[in-house]
Formats: sequence, C-alpha cells, structure tokens
Amino acid sequence: GQQVMQIPQYQHVQEGEDFTTYCNSSTTLSNIQWYKQRPGGHPVFLIQLVKSGEVKKQKRLTFQFGEAKKNSSLHITATQTTDVGTYFCAGTVGYALNFGKGTSLLVTP
Amino acid sequence: DSGVTQTPKHLITATGQRVTLRCSPRSGDLSVYWYQQSLDQGLQFLIQYYNGEERAKGNILERFSAQQFPDLHSELNLSSLELGDSALYFCASAGQGTGVEKLFFGSGTQLSVL
Repeated sequence: GQQVMQIPQYQHVQEGEDFTTYCNSSTTLSNIQWYKQRPGGHPVFLIQLVKSGEVKKQKRLTFQFGEAKKNSSLHITATQTTDVGTYFCAGTVGYALNFGKGTSLLVTP
Repeated sequence: DSGVTQTPKHLITATGQRVTLRCSPRSGDLSVYWYQQSLDQGLQFLIQYYNGEERAKGNILERFSAQQFPDLHSELNLSSLELGDSALYFCASAGQGTGVEKLFFGSGTQLSVL
C-alpha cells in the first residue's frame, strides 16, 4: 500500500530561523494535505495541494507539490514560538487519508 | 472547536478488557474516520464509515471493530486489550468521505492499558 514518509522526524530551531519538512510517497498522489498538531492537541487542517508543481502560501508558510506528485514540502520562514507542533502530510488512497509520521518542530526563543 | 465530539477523554483499563470509544461527527458530515496515534507510529488510519456503511479499512486489528449508527455517531470497540493498545485514538469527520476533503478531528480519547 501507499507509504507516506516524512523527514526529518524532529527539528529544533532558534526563533527567526527557517524550517522545512519533506514528504515523500512511494506512489503518485492524487492530492496531498497538510495538518498541524499542537502539543496536547488534535490535528488541524492547513492546506490541500492538487496540481502538479503547485505552490501555495499562507503568510510565512509555503507549501509545494512536486512535479511528479510524489513529494511535497512545507517551508516556514522566520519561525515563531507559535509554530511549535507536529506537522503531518497526508495522501489520499481511495477514500482513506494516510498520514506520514510527522515532523515535530521545537522553536526556542 | 472542530465540532467533532469524542468521549471519554481518558480511559484507563486492564489487559484483556473491552472498551468502547464514541464519536459524534460535525453537524452535516456523513463520514467518520478513526485513527490511532502512538509515539512511534504516528497517525495510523484504522477505518472509515460513510453514512452508516464501512467504506475503507486500514491497519485495524481483528480485535477492534467499529460501526456508524443511523444518527451518524460512531463507536470504536477495542477488545482483549493489550499493553500495546495504549494510544490516543482520534475520530475525524468529513462531509462526503471522498478522501480529498479536509478532515475535522475530535480531541481524542487517551487509552491507557495497564
């Protein structure tokens, strides 16, 4: 079945530094979604990418979907302490949504 | 608040026991997904229901079962519990359950098997 892999597993940055997490799939994805889970919280939807090569921005967050639709990335510019949490990518398989293991981001003031 | 309600928030039980987790989806959503979150496995998809019918199955153990009722709430039954079943169980809902809609997650049920 489809495997969605994420790297790195953990990332510790100083506030103001940039952060990137990468998501790779063993198969071509029809779409990819990104979620954020704050410590002690539940996953919250951030964005969905559908088109090959698509780039979407949400303030300091930039999401990309690869040309082959097998990989995606989330880049955060100038991290803030409010960015702390685990970022998950998820790919659709049939009717299900398979999540990667996530990248946990820690931001030190 | 996502609009998805999960009860109970915490559950402590012993090995070999059986528990039931409950989920009420957002108003108007027809589809319910169940996920298991543990530290080393991330968010594992278990099963999905749409309007009362099972639609997709993931890595759900035979000891686990679920159903969605006519009022669209769902229950996840875990039996013959083992220590390794200790995890955070999330329910999520979506309008049509097509796999390309965003999911709204509940706050989860933290299960501890002692």
